[in-house]
Amino acid sequence: GIQVEQSPPDLILQEGANSTLRCNFSDSVNNLQWFHQNPWGQLINLFYIPSGTKQNGRLSATTVATERYSLLYISSSQTTDSGVYFCAVEENAGNMLTFGGGTRLMVKP
Amino acid sequence: NAGVTQTPKFRILKIGQSMTLQCAQDMNHNYMYWYRQDPGMGLKLIYYSVGAGITDKGEVPNGYNVSRSTTEDFPLRLELAAPSQTSVYFCASRSGQYYNQPQHFGDGTRLSIL
Repeated sequence: GIQVEQSPPDLILQEGANSTLRCNFSDSVNNLQWFHQNPWGQLINLFYIPSGTKQNGRLSATTVATERYSLLYISSSQTTDSGVYFCAVEENAGNMLTFGGGTRLMVKP
Repeated sequence: NAGVTQTPKFRILKIGQSMTLQCAQDMNHNYMYWYRQDPGMGLKLIYYSVGAGITDKGEVPNGYNVSRSTTEDFPLRLELAAPSQTSVYFCASRSGQYYNQPQHFGDGTRLSIL
């Protein structure tokens, strides 16, 4: 099956700093989603982005499908951004999301 | 807009007991999914359904059963609870009308088997 790797596995930021999270995948996909799992365990859907670039406030994401990677940008980080960020992909002709291992982000005040 | 609703939110079971995790969606989505998340890990697919009456196994189906009698509901059954099934369970749904659509997740059920 498809492999999904996220980097870095852990990240500590000072409030106000910017960061880039990366997601590499091993095969063609027709669905790519970025999630934020908050400290209460809820999965918040950030972006549905199988290709192209999207922005939502301080967050933006870019997927280069031909090169099999996606990037999540967090600007002016806040303590509420802390948690785990997951990338998940669905293969072409597939029905399931395959999740990466996540990036654990801690933003310090 | 309720979206995907999971009940209960928390549950403690004894080894060997059985229970059903409930999942309901009000978006008229054809596709529904059950995932489990072990501590410090990403989610893994247990079972999925592409419509009422149709279910299929995912990556980790052992120890679980599902049914899909209506479009709205997709319950997950644990028959003989084992400590290895201690996990957080997420239900998700997706529209089947268009091929490329995001999955929408519920808030999860935290299950402990003691």
